[in-house]
Amino acid sequence: GAGVSQTPSNKVTEKGKYVELRCDPISGHTALYWYRQSLGQGPEFLIYFQGTGAADDSGLPNDRFFAVRPEGSVSTLKIQRTERGDSAVYLCASSSTGGNYNEQFFGPGTRLTVL
Amino acid sequence: AQRVTQPEKLLSVFKGAPVELKCNYSYSGSPELFWYVQYSRQRLQLLLRHISRESIKGFTADLNKGETSFHLKKPFAQEEDSAMYYCALGVSASKLTFGTGTRLQVTL
Repeated sequence: GAGVSQTPSNKVTEKGKYVELRCDPISGHTALYWYRQSLGQGPEFLIYFQGTGAADDSGLPNDRFFAVRPEGSVSTLKIQRTERGDSAVYLCASSSTGGNYNEQFFGPGTRLTVL
Repeated sequence: AQRVTQPEKLLSVFKGAPVELKCNYSYSGSPELFWYVQYSRQRLQLLLRHISRESIKGFTADLNKGETSFHLKKPFAQEEDSAMYYCALGVSASKLTFGTGTRLQVTL
C-alpha cells in the first residue's frame, strides 16, 4: 500500500511569509509525528498527534509553529512569519498506534527554504 | 533531558571488513533504542530496535545499560550497506530523539 506522503516536496518562500506543509499518513494509522531536520543534524521532534489531538507539542520551537489534524488523518504544519532559521527538511511519520514499540514510518519530507 | 551521541560523522570501511557504528545515550528512564537508516534517495526507515533483539540485514545492536551504549555492528560490510545511519532513543509520548547520524561508506 501507499506509504506516508508529504506535499509539497519543496517549498521556497520569503522571510515573513506564511507556509503550510501537508502530511498524509498511512491509512488507519492513529499516531502522527512531525520532525524537523536541519542540515547535518538528525531529525528533531516537533509534535505528536494521537487521533485528532496533539498529545505532545513540546518540540514546537515557538508560537509561530502550529499543527492540526482535524479528522484524525491528514495533518498540516503551519508556520507563520517564517524566518531564515526555519529552513530545513520537515518530516512526517505515522504509526499504527502510539507507543515506543510501534514502528514509525516516515514520509519523504518537505524541504523548506526561507530566503 | 535525553540525548543521543553518535561521535562519527563518517565511517569508511572496505567491503568485507567489520563495521561498528557507535551510539551513546543519556536518559534517566528506561531506554528504548532504535537504529534508523536512510539509503541514497530513499526515506528514513527503521533498521532494528533493541526490544526485538533481532538481526536485520546482518546488523545487530546490543543495549549496554552500564555503558549507556547501543552500538550497531555487522561482521562483514557490503556495498549496499552504504547509507546514513541514525541512532534514536524512544521516550514518553512516543517521540524519538535522534543522534546526528553517521554516514557509512563501504568501498571496494
